[in-house]
Amino acid sequence: GQQVMQIPQYQHVQEGEDFTTYCNSSTTLSNIQWYKQRPGGHPVFLIQLVKSGEVKKQKRLTFQFGEAKKNSSLHITATQTTDVGTYFCAGPDDKIIFGKGTRLHILP
Amino acid sequence: DTGVSQNPRHKITKRGQNVTFRCDPISEHNRLYWYRQTLGQGPEFLTYFQNEAQLEKSRLLSDRFSAERPKGSFSTLEIQRTEQGDSAMYLCASSLGSGVGNTIYFGEGSWLTVV
Repeated sequence: GQQVMQIPQYQHVQEGEDFTTYCNSSTTLSNIQWYKQRPGGHPVFLIQLVKSGEVKKQKRLTFQFGEAKKNSSLHITATQTTDVGTYFCAGPDDKIIFGKGTRLHILP
Repeated sequence: DTGVSQNPRHKITKRGQNVTFRCDPISEHNRLYWYRQTLGQGPEFLTYFQNEAQLEKSRLLSDRFSAERPKGSFSTLEIQRTEQGDSAMYLCASSLGSGVGNTIYFGEGSWLTVV
């Protein structure tokens, strides 16, 4: 079945440094979604990417969808302590399959 | 609050007991999903509904798990004869339809501890 793989599993960065997480699929994705889950919280929808090569920005967050629609990335510029959490990508099946996530730790 | 509502938020039960969780989706959302999440893992798909129809159930689920959405509104997830391995957070989510442009909204989850 559809699977999405995420790397890295963990990332520690100094506050102010950039952060990137990657999502890869073995099959072409019709669309991909990104979610953020704060410690102790529930996943919160961030964005959906649909078009090949699409790039979307939300303030310091930049989301990309690969040309082949098999991979995606989330890049955070100049991380802040509020960025702490786990970032998940999720596949496009009706049942929405999640990757294992990348846990971001910010070092002050 | 018009978000996805789940209850109870926390449940501690003895092994072998049955538990039931309820999910009230956002009004008019016809899609409803159940996920399970353990510490350090991503949400694991359990099942989902389109209105009252259960469209798919994960093969990872044993026969001890059952979900219903009798009137296409709220849903219940029942776990019979609970085992310690069932301890997890059970997440419900809803959406208005599926596909492109669709946004999934999660509830705050129901934590289950089996002792």
